[in-house]
Amino acid sequence: DARVTQTPRDKVTEMGQEVTMRCQPILGHNTVFWYRQTMMQGLELLAYFRNRAPLDDSGMPKDRFSAEMPDATLATLKIQPSEPRDSAVYFCASGQGQPGNEQFFGPGTRLTVL
Amino acid sequence: QQQVKQSPQSLIVQKGGIPIINCAYENTAFDYFPWYQQFPGKGPALLIAIRPDVSEKKEGRFTISFNKSAKQFSLHIMDSQPGDSATYFCAASRGGGADGLTFGKGTHLIIQP
Repeated sequence: DARVTQTPRDKVTEMGQEVTMRCQPILGHNTVFWYRQTMMQGLELLAYFRNRAPLDDSGMPKDRFSAEMPDATLATLKIQPSEPRDSAVYFCASGQGQPGNEQFFGPGTRLTVL
Repeated sequence: QQQVKQSPQSLIVQKGGIPIINCAYENTAFDYFPWYQQFPGKGPALLIAIRPDVSEKKEGRFTISFNKSAKQFSLHIMDSQPGDSATYFCAASRGGGADGLTFGKGTHLIIQP
């Protein structure tokens, strides 16, 4: 049963701390997306990678957020320093990067910044 | 700038009724229009998707209607069931769906028994 996995599932931290979220895409998928969901803004695309190369990170606050793919089985999203307004559910999704291919979403990481 | 507008925000329908959720988009470069279903505590899951070269697509009880000239598309759920109660998101993408998704704000749907 192939699925996207995300860790941690829940994270509570204090303002100013570094937060790292991890995502394991479905084996064989070459495209990884990061989305953020809040009540006010809904679901927003932060960044995405294809074949480990960043294609678009225009949705990501550049001063504190960074996204990387150290290898094909791991994507990371880091926030440093974290702020209360970063509190949200962060979803990773993966796909095969071809027209018509579905994006499969992970269960999300719920981040609370106090 | 909200590129995909979704309505209504919430909807209550009796079991067996046909809820209809509407979306409108602005960017004519979009060429892939999926609908996602999300249950509390879960990630969104794809329900059905359409390309702009067709006006309607049906999968089971779910139907997308697409109007390219009006830049609008809608989701119809036939014979709705309480298990369909969830939040529904429309979205749009370029590259036939290979690129990132731009989502509508979501519709919280309740199907009453």
